Amino acid sequence: GAGVSQTPSNKVTEKGKYVELRCDPISGHTALYWYRQSLGQGPEFLIYFQGTGAADDSGLPNDRFFAVRPEGSVSTLKIQRTERGDSAVYLCASSLRGAQGYTFGSGTRLTVV
Amino acid sequence: AQSVTQLDSQVPVFEEAPVELRCNYSSSVSVYLFWYVQYPNQGLQLLLKYLSGSTLVKGINGFEAEFNKSQTSFHLRKPSVHISDTAEYFCAVSKANFGNEKLTFGTGTRLTIIP
Repeated sequence: GAGVSQTPSNKVTEKGKYVELRCDPISGHTALYWYRQSLGQGPEFLIYFQGTGAADDSGLPNDRFFAVRPEGSVSTLKIQRTERGDSAVYLCASSLRGAQGYTFGSGTRLTVV
Repeated sequence: AQSVTQLDSQVPVFEEAPVELRCNYSSSVSVYLFWYVQYPNQGLQLLLKYLSGSTLVKGINGFEAEFNKSQTSFHLRKPSVHISDTAEYFCAVSKANFGNEKLTFGTGTRLTIIP
């Protein structure tokens, strides 16, 4: 597609529930990134995929967070047993040239009540 | 590890006045530097980037930034702001070598243009 698409744009879930956030990158971009932006903060790195594999998952806060990219295109960020502290905007970006060429999606605003 | 400091959380500026948004970084290795803009309910858009070469970098919408290695700064400037420049601005840094993909962001500066 023309840009990075993230769905849903907004998600409200109850504490303890499981959620999936989807990212559809720009066609042909091999690198895909997930960031989390809490209120009043800059985006924080979560995980980076090169193709199908997670090249760096050092930013995932704990084992409730998991992400996949099975065919090297669409990625899904999965959060188990959600907590109120998980409330944030989750941003996805894709790139052909690493940090030099990110294109960000509009984000998914997750609210855990 | 790299870090970024944006000292000004909010900057109000009158329309058509100049503006400077400050960014300082810390790193033990060479870096690439970026400024991103975020309009309400939108993703981040790249304004400009410094990779190498000339320390004065020009970007979109009339913005420019200057890389100062001795002061570890990358301040963003615009000589005359417009109402449409109202947004959140983020400075970011990455290691300057292929394979290092992560961006480290500052906490952002909210620019408000006063008519």
